[in-house]
Amino acid sequence: EPEVTQTPSHQVTQMGQEVILRCVPISNHLYFYWYRQILGQKVEFLVSFYNNEISEKSEIFDDQFSVERPDGSNFTLKIRSTKLEDSAMYFCASTSRRTGSSYEQYFGPGTRLTVT
Amino acid sequence: AQTVTQSQPEMSVQEAETVTLSCTYDTSESDYYLFWYKQPPSRQMILVIRQEAYKQQNATENRFSVNFQKAAKSFSLKISDSQLGDAAMYFCAYNDGNKLVFGAGTILRVKS
Repeated sequence: EPEVTQTPSHQVTQMGQEVILRCVPISNHLYFYWYRQILGQKVEFLVSFYNNEISEKSEIFDDQFSVERPDGSNFTLKIRSTKLEDSAMYFCASTSRRTGSSYEQYFGPGTRLTVT
Repeated sequence: AQTVTQSQPEMSVQEAETVTLSCTYDTSESDYYLFWYKQPPSRQMILVIRQEAYKQQNATENRFSVNFQKAAKSFSLKISDSQLGDAAMYFCAYNDGNKLVFGAGTILRVKS
């Protein structure tokens, strides 16, 4: 069964450093998402991406964040200058949103980002 | 903005018994989708069940079923014959046509 994959599974970085989190969505999906979950808290929407551009972003997704689909398979989230409060689990998700698909989003296993 | 409320931070159930997790949401839309996701200690997000708002019939998936009350904006999850593997965090989620909006989650503990 197709699945969303994410790398790395765990990333440790120092405050102020840039990090890139990588995702490979399901191959025939067209809509891509990043969500964040701070430990012990709920899952929060960061950004959605369709047709090579951002379709929606949350207040969390400020100028320090960017997303890119550099080729036909990868979808990346970049944090330019990490802060301690960026420590969280980052989930990538994708969906086809075909008629009748129920808009179900398939989640990757997550990347745990630790900023020290 | 749509909001999702899970009023039970934690629930416990005896193995083989039935438990119901509550969820309410707020929206002005008439057509939307609702989901329950399970998050075990691995933190993987696993879809448990989905409900389309235009369908009056409650969704069921094996031991999992929902009680969808559209007028009350309520979407509870019932787990029958609870198993130790059901222990996890459960999130209720609303799809606004693009993104998912999640509730705060309910920790489910299963006692043997």
